Amino acid sequence: EVQLVESGGGLVQPGGSLRLSCAASGFTFTNYWMHWVRQVPGKGLVWVSRISSDGNTINYADPVKGRFTISRDNAKNTLYLQMNSLRAEDTAMYYCVNLLLGWGQGTLVTVSS
Amino acid sequence: EIVLTQSPGTLSLSPGERATLSCRASQSVNNNYLAWYQQKFGQAPRLLIYDASSRATGIPDRFSGSGSGTDFSLTISRLEPEDFAVYYCLQYGNLPIMFGQGTRLEIK
Repeated sequence: EVQLVESGGGLVQPGGSLRLSCAASGFTFTNYWMHWVRQVPGKGLVWVSRISSDGNTINYADPVKGRFTISRDNAKNTLYLQMNSLRAEDTAMYYCVNLLLGWGQGTLVTVSS
Repeated sequence: EIVLTQSPGTLSLSPGERATLSCRASQSVNNNYLAWYQQKFGQAPRLLIYDASSRATGIPDRFSGSGSGTDFSLTISRLEPEDFAVYYCLQYGNLPIMFGQGTRLEIK
């Protein structure tokens, strides 16, 4: 069974940083691109970033470019999202996603003073 | 960027009826890399359809996807009570990857 378990969310002040983690199991992590998607409660889904199976190709949505960094550790079957210079508009549930296999349950990030 | 427009915004139907949801892209989606997801309140989205018409593992055959290029649709042949939810389309053939705004399927 595919499992994606996010952690690292929480309350942070504007300008602060957070690092999200996603532990993957139930599939061959090293074979798949992985993504982060966010959702403001009650609103739609927004793609944030993706990383290739080997970590060599990375893409970001414009609103997070230059502030967020996606990475992965294939030895640990773990995906990361380093979020710097956080803004109020980054407040959302963040999901770790394998587009074709499944989604995690999400971790809530709240940016507020 | 490709903009995905889903219609209708809200669809009101009764169990047993047929539902057809539309997703129109502003440009052609490469390789028809178009997926459909179902999201229930308080839950993560669930993949229904990928590559426009391939049903994901474990998805009942009352769900089907069709279309190509810029026009795609999701059909639910006979609605079950558990099908009432929000549905999103997603294109993953072009950057940036984009979701539609969603269609809410509600019980009439």
